[in-house]
Amino acid sequence: SQQGEEDPQALSIQEGENATMNCSYKTSINNLQWYRQNSGRGLVHLILIRSNEREKHSGRLRVTLDTSKKSSSLLITASRAADTASYFCATDKGAQKLVFGQGTRLTINP
Amino acid sequence: NAGVTQTPKFQVLKTGQSMTLQCAQDMNHNSMYWYRQDPGMGLRLIYYSASEGTTDKGEVPNGYNVSRLNKREFSLRLESAAPSQTSVYFCASRFQDFSNQPQHFGDGTRLSIL
Repeated sequence: SQQGEEDPQALSIQEGENATMNCSYKTSINNLQWYRQNSGRGLVHLILIRSNEREKHSGRLRVTLDTSKKSSSLLITASRAADTASYFCATDKGAQKLVFGQGTRLTINP
Repeated sequence: NAGVTQTPKFQVLKTGQSMTLQCAQDMNHNSMYWYRQDPGMGLRLIYYSASEGTTDKGEVPNGYNVSRLNKREFSLRLESAAPSQTSVYFCASRFQDFSNQPQHFGDGTRLSIL
């Protein structure tokens, strides 16, 4: 069964706007990871946030983690056409299993 | 530095045929994984190998077998392909489990079973 649930399933915004995607999960975790998947390609790791961290930044990416609500969000600022992709959260309980959500399809319109 | 390499990239099989999907990584990672990705389902773990010489079942192992040939290579075998196994298959690796490390993915094998 899926641990992570992303919301929304699809998001379409104008270039330059910010995009926010949310992820909820059910059980305790060691860390939560976000991945990007371009059409026809494999997943690319974006950012990892540990369970004792609340916020993490990487370039135009900002990830937050609220373990009390079992939720995370990924914010992409100043979006670009190249950000068009599917974004997945994955929860890591530390025992081999990295459990992925169903993903958010992000479309950036020029 | 190639990362994770999967072969073939595309394959069409008939029901009942067998085939092996190959995966190799050049990052000296200990742990390797096989996932399948179906529309609307995200990625589901088929089998994994925490270290050379060990393999274990994941969430959806039925109909598949794996071999950890050496530290670099981890293959997935379909003994008697079924239409329900039509999917995109991804191999991944990471330095080791329990390590707060990300996984690195190949570009996938797109498999159709007729």
